[in-house]
Amino acid sequence: IAGITQAPTSQILAAGRRMTLRCTQDMRHNAMYWYRQDLGLGLRLIHYSNTAGTTGKGEVPDGYSVSRANTDDFPLTLASAVPSQTSVYFCASSPGDRGGYTFGSGTRLTVV
Amino acid sequence: GNSVTQMEGPVTLSEEAFLTINCTYTATGYPSLFWYVQYPGEGLQLLLKATKADDKGSNKGFEATYRKETTSFHLEKGSVQVSDSAVYFCALISSGNTGKLIFGQGTTLQVKP
Repeated sequence: IAGITQAPTSQILAAGRRMTLRCTQDMRHNAMYWYRQDLGLGLRLIHYSNTAGTTGKGEVPDGYSVSRANTDDFPLTLASAVPSQTSVYFCASSPGDRGGYTFGSGTRLTVV
Repeated sequence: GNSVTQMEGPVTLSEEAFLTINCTYTATGYPSLFWYVQYPGEGLQLLLKATKADDKGSNKGFEATYRKETTSFHLEKGSVQVSDSAVYFCALISSGNTGKLIFGQGTTLQVKP
């Protein structure tokens, strides 16, 4: 089934640890995105990539980094996790034609 | 800048009631407008969309009309079901925003039998 796979589904992480959230799509979409969802704040864009080899900063990029080595994969790395990064993280992709996004099922991250 | 504002929830309705969730936007140019739905424990799914003024998006009994004169995209359904209980997000992609989707805060709908 075509779509987006995120891993892990959930994670409890000690503050100060490094963590990479994985995202893979099989739709050959050019653009990919990482959002975080927090109660009362909706979804906020962390980083994005319009095409393989390029990345850009979204609304809340601090403390996060991304890479886009190929079309399918778009990992999100927390270099040194802090409790304020406790959130649900969603990866999404789009063909880039303003037609809408496809979302993954999310990663629930708790930093303690 | 570009932004989306939704009515605050939660919205609680009885089954078969009429639903309206208000959404207004601020954007440059001619944005594309979307409604996404998030069922408990799941990711977001595209519910409907409209790409130009006066377009009506529809899906699963839900409708929304792109009103440029009032910068609105209100979501409506004539008769809600318990299975419609979810969080609904209004969103836009601005014509000058290289495809980045901007979301409203989300509105929780709870439908009681």
